[in-house]
Amino acid sequence: NAGVTQTPKFQVLKTGQSMTLQCAQDMNHEYMSWYRQDPGMGLRLIHYSVGAGITDQGEVPNGYNVSRSTTEDFPLRLLSAAPSQTSVYFCASGRGGEKLFFGSGTQLSVL
Amino acid sequence: AQTVTQSQPEMSVQEAETVTLSCTYDTSESDYYLFWYKQPPSRQMILVIRQEAYKQQNATENRFSVNFQKAAKSFSLKISDSQLGDAAMYFCAYRSVENSGTYKYIFGTGTRLKVLA
Repeated sequence: NAGVTQTPKFQVLKTGQSMTLQCAQDMNHEYMSWYRQDPGMGLRLIHYSVGAGITDQGEVPNGYNVSRSTTEDFPLRLLSAAPSQTSVYFCASGRGGEKLFFGSGTQLSVL
Repeated sequence: AQTVTQSQPEMSVQEAETVTLSCTYDTSESDYYLFWYKQPPSRQMILVIRQEAYKQQNATENRFSVNFQKAAKSFSLKISDSQLGDAAMYFCAYRSVENSGTYKYIFGTGTRLKVLA
């Protein structure tokens, strides 16, 4: 199993550009989620999903879109990047009450 | 809405000593899961310990143990015989169990642990 595969690892955007962070898991996990990590703010939940076709907003959803058309994939879209979206992004997946499996993270800078 | 609070941004401990990291949470649910994760400088997220709310017995994993106080909504992590490799950011996390069929994991702001030689 590859686990949770998150791409890209690094990205630099200009203000107003759009992009998609990719996340895929091969463990048949029902739960997938996106977090952003900022100094002093911990991990904040952006969006999450408990199955294909089901998504919900987390703590900081503004400026981000998600979709879950398959069990395996959960892409995160930045529609119009802003400097406030400079952060480290993590995708995570899990099943039941077990632990979350995390991707390796994406360092995003918006200039 | 559920919240997780870690009131200690940074802690220090001497090698071989014991340290306790605090975590409190707010919820109206009676059944849920609690976790402690460790994040070293590599940014990898590593599960340290997991607790099911319906179990009164505190979870332990080698040198790591928790003090779970359900009524007080407190979930502290005790690290015994601290080692240099324990230096990391530690996150407390809560996983809801919702009757609607949906659930989510939320995290605290983290505690940076320094281990002094």
